[in-house]
Amino acid sequence: RKEVEQDPGPFNVPEGATVAFNCTYSNSASQSFFWYRQDCRKEPKLLMSVYSSGNEDGRFTAQLNRASQYISLLIRDSKLSDSATYLCVKYGNNRLAFGKGNQVVVIP
Amino acid sequence: EAQVTQNPRYLITVTGKKLTVTCSQNMNHEYMSWYRQDPGLGLRQIYYSMNVEVTDKGDVPEGYKVSRKEKRNFPLILESPSPNQTSLYFCASSLSPTSAGNTIYFGEGSWLTVV
Repeated sequence: RKEVEQDPGPFNVPEGATVAFNCTYSNSASQSFFWYRQDCRKEPKLLMSVYSSGNEDGRFTAQLNRASQYISLLIRDSKLSDSATYLCVKYGNNRLAFGKGNQVVVIP
Repeated sequence: EAQVTQNPRYLITVTGKKLTVTCSQNMNHEYMSWYRQDPGLGLRQIYYSMNVEVTDKGDVPEGYKVSRKEKRNFPLILESPSPNQTSLYFCASSLSPTSAGNTIYFGEGSWLTVV
């Protein structure tokens, strides 16, 4: 089993809709979790860190479930500018592991 | 401005010709790492460094070397490049990824083609 698994999609989302996806991980020693956004072949940029209590930043909500070993990202009121690949990232044992990303395409 | 700078950004080279991709950060970060990104495989860690003179292998270290003689620099060395090392490479740095909220900063990427 890969350390971090994501369904690559693409997720075609009508503008204004809500989209949610999960990322599962192995290795319960994982310490920190993040969501990064990557636009086509550009460098990834931090979207948000993920906390067990759940956290929200504007239209974005992230959640961590350590018991079931997954993190989630929810995007409300999708904008065209949200079209990107969202990377799930975990840190543990001094190493960062990335998922392959969820590709989101917001359609007018 | 917080920056991770990679050079070169684009390079076409021939098999066997040694090359170095430089990476420099201006944030006094302890943690630096190199990744390659290939279609369908996502970002895979090549090497990382927890601090000066401390380096370790990531998931795909074969064919690569690194050094960390100064805190700000973390060059990636391909002693004898082969076509399967054609990829998009990212350098990244962070204060310490152990703490949630410590952002990982990425360079803009280096497109490397080995023919």
